[in-house]
Amino acid sequence: NAGVMQNPRHLVRRRGQEARLRCSPMKGHSHVYWYRQLPEEGLKFMVYLQKENIIDESGMPKERFSAEFPKEGPSILRIQQVVRGDSAAYFCASSPNGGDSNQPQHFGDGTRLSIL
Amino acid sequence: AQSVTQLGSHVSVSEGALVLLRCNYSSSVPPYLFWYVQYPNQGLQLLLKYTSAATLVKGINGFEAEFKKSETSFHLTKPSAHMSDAAEYFCAVSGVTQGGSEKLVFGKGTKLTVNP
Repeated sequence: NAGVMQNPRHLVRRRGQEARLRCSPMKGHSHVYWYRQLPEEGLKFMVYLQKENIIDESGMPKERFSAEFPKEGPSILRIQQVVRGDSAAYFCASSPNGGDSNQPQHFGDGTRLSIL
Repeated sequence: AQSVTQLGSHVSVSEGALVLLRCNYSSSVPPYLFWYVQYPNQGLQLLLKYTSAATLVKGINGFEAEFKKSETSFHLTKPSAHMSDAAEYFCAVSGVTQGGSEKLVFGKGTKLTVNP
């Protein structure tokens, strides 16, 4: 499967713990977007990264959330000291360049995060 | 700023009937418009996209959408619904933002039910 791979598919954490969500883009893609989907809501943009660079983090909460896309390995979305309101589905999308609309973003199957 | 409004959070049709899912957008720049479909516990799959070429766009699974600038609309249609079309449908708009990012702005989605 050469698609966008996200893991884990489901993640359960207790309040105050840390959550790490991983995303491996499609082969040949070097641009990654993270989105969050709350119940009964559409997807909301969080952050856009290229290898080793955060390009646009205008959708990221100011505290507890961070993202990286290292030179080697997957992109990581990290949520520290999780709270109940962080429960959501988190989706990663990748594109070969800056989202050239002739080559739109391809989405992974998401990570469903549940906070106890 | 860009936004998307999907009229009707739930649409129910009979198998074989016309499917019409409504989407209106707001954009200060020429928009790129997309329709995605989401099946339960899965990611988003691109149905079709409008990128300023033909205003009538044909997508996968028999879906098509027409871009109407005067109405700022991009409604999704399919002449004859199939049971397998039951899913949630998202309309999205993008435009170049900082750093060349083309983050997607999504509507809240429309759940399509197909009755036998």
